[in-house]
Formats: sequence, C-alpha cells, structure tokens
Amino acid sequence: NAGVTQTPKFRVLKTGQSMTLLCAQDMNHEYMYWYRQDPGMGLRLIHYSVGEGTTAKGEVPDGYNVSRLKKQNFLLGLESAAPSQTSVYFCASSYGSGQGGNQPQHFGDGTRLSIL
Amino acid sequence: GQSLEQPSEVTAVEGAIVQINCTYQTSGFYGLSWYQQHDGGAPTFLSYNALDGLEETGRFSSFLSRSDSYGYLLLQELQMKDSASYFCAVRDLAGGYQKVTFGTGTKLQVIP
Repeated sequence: NAGVTQTPKFRVLKTGQSMTLLCAQDMNHEYMYWYRQDPGMGLRLIHYSVGEGTTAKGEVPDGYNVSRLKKQNFLLGLESAAPSQTSVYFCASSYGSGQGGNQPQHFGDGTRLSIL
Repeated sequence: GQSLEQPSEVTAVEGAIVQINCTYQTSGFYGLSWYQQHDGGAPTFLSYNALDGLEETGRFSSFLSRSDSYGYLLLQELQMKDSASYFCAVRDLAGGYQKVTFGTGTKLQVIP
C-alpha cells in the first residue's frame, strides 16, 4: 500500500507565486489534515477535513485554502506565497467517527517548500 | 484552548532507560498519543492512551494520568536508532469533531 502520498517533495517559489500541494491516501480514511512544521514549533494544523466536500480551519489557516472534492485527495493551495510560508508541509489521514478510540494519523513524507 | 508541554531535548546512553514527560491542558479530552519522527522523515504513530495506566508495546511504554493531565513515554534498552524527536499529542473534541494538537517535540539523542 502507498499509504499517504504527497506531491511535490520539494519546491522553490518566488514571493507572490501560487501553487497547490497534493495529498492522496488509499486507506479510505474519512479525516485528512494539513500541517506545517517549523523548527521548534512542532506540527501546527493548517486545515482539516472530516469527509468529502467538507473542510475546516485549524490553528494557522491564514494564507492557505484547501479542497476535498474526492475522498482520497486533499489539496492545499497558496494563492500568493510569502517568505513566512517557507516550511515543511505534512499531510495526514485517519479514520474518524467522533466516537473515540484509537485513530492514529498516518503521515506523508512531507513537502519542503521554500519561498524566496 | 489546548496546550502541551514537553522537554525540548533529552540525552541518554545506549542500553539505558529514558522517560519523556508531557503535561497538557485541554477540554473534552479523548486521549494522549505519541509519535516518533526521525530527522528528515515523517511522524509515525507509537502509542495511544485513553485510560489511566501503562500501555506496553515492546521496548516502548506509555503512561497516562487523566487526573494529573500528565503522561510519559518510556523507552527501554535504548538503541542508537531511537535517536529522533518524540511528540505527544492530545485528541479532544472541537466544534463537534475530533482534533489532534501536537506538542513541540522532544529531541532524544542516544549516545554510545
């Protein structure tokens, strides 16, 4: 199984450019997440989705948009990239019923994004 | 809101035991998870505690005390490959959905 696949793995952008990061999972998970990871800051949630066609804001949503048109895909968009968005971006997925229990998140390998 | 505290760095000797603590503040608490992340890699799930007590998985154990809002990850018989960052994460209910908040991570260095 591929699990969670992120594309691209690396990207360099100029300030003001736009781009979309793609996350795909083949585990039929309901929940999908986008995080950014900066040195000393841990993982911070940008946006998440609890099912196809639904999205919600996380801890640091400004400057990002997301879409979940298909259950297996979760897209993260930067409309006008800024140097502050230089980071490593991780996508994750999990089962999610809101009923508790052990629902570990499965992470992709990350996208390393630099904004010049 | 949610907040988690864990030490930023820990150093331990190969073959020894190390404990990484995590304290948290949150509402609607469901459970505490631990993730491992090697440099340049993706976080991977290690353990989950929903109830008080100790959960053991091989060399790794995780403990939770809900009344103290405290948990720890215990690594035994340390190996060099255990050098990594370890994140605690609380799962709670926010806006009707389960949400996970990660701590800032503890960088474990295992030395010979």
